Amino acid sequence: DIQMTQSPSSLSASVGDRVTITCQASQDISYYLNWYQQKPGKAPNLLVYDASNLETGVPSRFSGSGSGTDFTFTISSLQPEDIATYYCQQYDNLPLTFGGGTKVEIK
Amino acid sequence: EVQLVESGGGLVQPGGSLRLSCAASGFIFSDYTMNWVRQAPGQGLEWVSYISSSGSTIYYADSVKGRFTISRDNAKDSLYLQMNSLRSEDTAVYYCARMGIYYDRSAPKGYWGQGTLVTVSP
Repeated sequence: DIQMTQSPSSLSASVGDRVTITCQASQDISYYLNWYQQKPGKAPNLLVYDASNLETGVPSRFSGSGSGTDFTFTISSLQPEDIATYYCQQYDNLPLTFGGGTKVEIK
Repeated sequence: EVQLVESGGGLVQPGGSLRLSCAASGFIFSDYTMNWVRQAPGQGLEWVSYISSSGSTIYYADSVKGRFTISRDNAKDSLYLQMNSLRSEDTAVYYCARMGIYYDRSAPKGYWGQGTLVTVSP
């Protein structure tokens, strides 16, 4: 199974700050990586697919990069509505696997 | 618009059974691989099962193998999860998700239903 190691598990930042989350795969997954945002009581919502492509309608302050085993998700200017937990997910092979999540809070 | 609506969750005793359903709309259901993904209270996301567009290829997480059965009815645009021999550790919100491996039509974008809560407790 492909393990996805996501860090940090939580972070606290101020409004307007740049926030970076990393995800490392246990083997080469090319660019087959999604990033999701999940708010309490809601289903995950796709933000970035194919490691760096922004889903339609997602604000441009969100971005993703990386390939192979190392990936980065960035919020360029944190907004209050970005408070959520973020997950990476690989789709290179079954089982589909997720990172452990990063809980983002406002300082 | 892709819509996935789960139903069938509830409270069940350990050792009991439950059948979850997922009604799909907004896309040609028979063209896409489907999955069940679960999330235990306060925990992360765990993939449970995968079924190909025709239903001929099925995979399960080791944690549910032999107890859960995924199926689909393409004529009814519906996905199912039969859960038997339920354990307390199966307590979770269960999501129906249109997802796949990179070569599946369902990839890369993942679409999720709102989930249905399954609680396994005496």
